[in-house]
Amino acid sequence: EPEVTQTPSHQVTQMGQEVILRCVPISNHLYFYWYRQILGQKVEFLVSFYNNEISEKSEIFDDQFSVERPDGSNFTLKIRSTKLEDSAMYFCASSQGQGSIGELFFGEGSRLTVL
Amino acid sequence: AQKVTQAQTEISVVEKEDVTLDCVYETRDTTYYLFWYKQPPSGELVFLIRRNSFDEQNEISGRYSWNFQKSTSSFNFTITASQVVDSAVYFCALRDDKIIFGKGTRLHILP
Repeated sequence: EPEVTQTPSHQVTQMGQEVILRCVPISNHLYFYWYRQILGQKVEFLVSFYNNEISEKSEIFDDQFSVERPDGSNFTLKIRSTKLEDSAMYFCASSQGQGSIGELFFGEGSRLTVL
Repeated sequence: AQKVTQAQTEISVVEKEDVTLDCVYETRDTTYYLFWYKQPPSGELVFLIRRNSFDEQNEISGRYSWNFQKSTSSFNFTITASQVVDSAVYFCALRDDKIIFGKGTRLHILP
């Protein structure tokens, strides 16, 4: 069964360092998403990506964050200069369709710990 | 604007009891999807069910059942004969363009 895969499963970094979280979406999917879950809190939308550009982003997704699809398979989330409050579980998701059409498939998450 | 409300922050029940998790949503769209996800202690999001706005039939899957009431904008989830392995955080979610999650209900099943 196709699945969304994320690496690394857990990353520990020092404050101020750059972090790249990687995702391999399901191969025929066209829409890609990043979500964040701070420990014990709700899952929050960060950004959606379609046709090689951001289609929507939340207020959380500030200039420290960027996404790209460098090679047609990977979908990455970069945090340029990590802060303590970036510590969270980051979920990647992909979808074949847009809007109400197309179920979102989530990866298992990448846990980021910023010290 | 979209909104998902899970009023129950935490619930504890004794094993084998039935438990219902409430979910109320708001959306201006006429076409939307509702979801339930389970998040066990290991952290991953496990998809449980998707229901579209045109299908108000209740669904049963083993010990799980879902009650979709469009008139009250609710999509409640019942676990029958709960088991310790059901202990997790359960999220209700709504999708038009993106999925919006509720704050989750932490369910403790006590042996």
